[in-house]
Amino acid sequence: QKEVEQNSGPLSVPEGAIASLNCTYSDRVSQSFFWYRQYSGKSPELIMSIYSNGDKEDGRFTAQLNKASQYVSLLIRDSQPSDSATYLCAGRGAQKLVFGQGTRLTINP
Amino acid sequence: GAVVSQHPSWVICKSGTSVKIECRSLDFQATTMFWYRQFPKQSLMLMATSNEGSKATYEQGVEKDKFLINHASLTLSTLTVTSAHPEDSSFYICSARDPLETNGYTFGSGTRLTVV
Repeated sequence: QKEVEQNSGPLSVPEGAIASLNCTYSDRVSQSFFWYRQYSGKSPELIMSIYSNGDKEDGRFTAQLNKASQYVSLLIRDSQPSDSATYLCAGRGAQKLVFGQGTRLTINP
Repeated sequence: GAVVSQHPSWVICKSGTSVKIECRSLDFQATTMFWYRQFPKQSLMLMATSNEGSKATYEQGVEKDKFLINHASLTLSTLTVTSAHPEDSSFYICSARDPLETNGYTFGSGTRLTVV
């Protein structure tokens, strides 16, 4: 099993709808989790971090962590065209950060 | 917040030459920095972990003699791609962990390397 796995998509969502991005992880990356957004040709930028079971909300974004199922998700409410990007799930094990394959999200106006 | 500066942002070099990429932590000391490589439409792959004052730790499959990493100070790590070949063309990104920040990992802006 890969350390962090994501559905590569592409995922297409109409403007204003909720975009749901999912990620699973192995035991090797179980300390903390991050969602990054990456626009084409740019480096990743942090959207959310989550360490404890449950939900964490920040504006239009909600991260969810379920340690029993080894599952992390990111919900984007009221999706905007500017949310179109690749979303990277990352988990931390020991010192290093391990990334999933990324999910390409397109918000259709 | 923590800022990591990476230079150059892009570079074109001839096959067989070497290229150095710099990564600096501007407002914090980074004892550990990370170097990633990203090919088109793929995710970030960790190449190596750079530790200040000691040898870098390379991920499996990464040639340490080809990708030289030097972390001589608490604010600077360099990656040198030696004897570059077209297959080394990629997007190289550095990252540092600010130990004073909960959400620790800050990324540089990346370097687009094209080997012709």
